[in-house]
Amino acid sequence: AQKVTQAQTEISVVEKEDVTLDCVYETRDTTYYLFWYKQPPSGELVFLIRRNSFDEQNEISGRYSWNFQKSTSSFNFTITASQVVDSAVYFCALRPHRDDKIIFGKGTRLHILP
Amino acid sequence: DTGVSQNPRHKITKRGQNVTFRCDPISEHNRLYWYRQTLGQGPEFLTYFQNEAQLEKSRLLSDRFSAERPKGSFSTLEIQRTEQGDSAMYLCASSPGTGNSPLHFGNGTRLTVT
Repeated sequence: AQKVTQAQTEISVVEKEDVTLDCVYETRDTTYYLFWYKQPPSGELVFLIRRNSFDEQNEISGRYSWNFQKSTSSFNFTITASQVVDSAVYFCALRPHRDDKIIFGKGTRLHILP
Repeated sequence: DTGVSQNPRHKITKRGQNVTFRCDPISEHNRLYWYRQTLGQGPEFLTYFQNEAQLEKSRLLSDRFSAERPKGSFSTLEIQRTEQGDSAMYLCASSPGTGNSPLHFGNGTRLTVT
């Protein structure tokens, strides 16, 4: 089965705290692509990052970092020094190489409290 | 790059009526996708086009749903004889079509069936 699980439905943290959003995926394909999207209150899904299955290097972009671990089929997203503007729903997504569509998790709603 | 454009932003209709949504993708993107998102859920794949060819349809897409992309540019999604269960956000996305390309989403059309 091809599946993305985001076990955390909702998280609240106080501004400036670090927060990690978990993502676990399932796929039979050995080649696949993983994504994170942000959906702010305005509703538009904003692409954040793509990771190929053969590239296990972790990535950092400003306050955002991603930890990809094939051994545990996880692709977790950490926001360091969170800000109120980070409040949104975050989706992890998977595209198996042999498939032309992206499969989304149910999302994690993140509240950053001032 | 003007982004993916969807019209209308909101549509309220009575049960049994037909509705049509339009999506204008990013101009150089040959793939166009339709997704549906209900409250608290991630986007669910409905169908996609490569140029004007509709290559895949989800089982979610009942016979009342039809999508077209006649000239390989804009696309329309029509729902006939709407039901209350059709109430959702309908998202359009486009991509260049290469293997690991992310999808670029529009703002969506929110449908309410009363």
